Amino acid sequence: DVKVTQSSRYLVKRTGEKVFLECVQDMDHENMFWYRQDPGLGLRLIYFSYDVKMKEKGDIPEGYSVSREKKERFSLILESASTSQTSMYLCASSVGQGADWGYTFGSGTRLTVV
Amino acid sequence: AQSVTQLGSHVSVSEGALVLLRCNYSSSVPPYLFWYVQYPNQGLQLLLKYTTGATLVKGINGFEAEFKKSETSFHLTKPSAHMSDAAEYFCAVSDQGNFNKFYFGSGTKLNVKP
Repeated sequence: DVKVTQSSRYLVKRTGEKVFLECVQDMDHENMFWYRQDPGLGLRLIYFSYDVKMKEKGDIPEGYSVSREKKERFSLILESASTSQTSMYLCASSVGQGADWGYTFGSGTRLTVV
Repeated sequence: AQSVTQLGSHVSVSEGALVLLRCNYSSSVPPYLFWYVQYPNQGLQLLLKYTTGATLVKGINGFEAEFKKSETSFHLTKPSAHMSDAAEYFCAVSDQGNFNKFYFGSGTKLNVKP
């Protein structure tokens, strides 16, 4: 089975801290994504990446950045955490084509900024 | 950008009753369509997908969905609900310009009453 592993299930950080959320996938997928999930809003795309060192902005990139130095790892960075960034963060990966096409999600990181 | 509308943020059915979760999308070009399920404190899991071919798609756990181009709909059904079906369900569509990028609906929480 494809596995997408997010390093933390729960995080509590202080306002103004720099926060790193890590995501690792083990199936050599080209594409990786970061979403945030909020009640009533569904999943909103923050950033995505098609290849190493490549990144593209999603629909809500403000206040976030990403890093993809290796194919299997995609990091989400909150440069200066704010209470409005309290949310569930979901990482996903996908292969670009074929019968297995579609997202595989990690279990999520619930971030609370106080 | 695509938009996905899921009618009803909460749906409640009795065990053994029909499950119907509605999804409509906005697109002049038929997209690729997906349903995902999320159990509490977990990531999203793929239920089924439509890419091409037969418009009635069968997925895991007895769920199926029918793509209706004329109605721009992809409703999810299951003939007989089980208690274990209680979860949140998300409809997703692929971006027209980039099939690897998905847009998600706001989700429907399914409650199954004994």
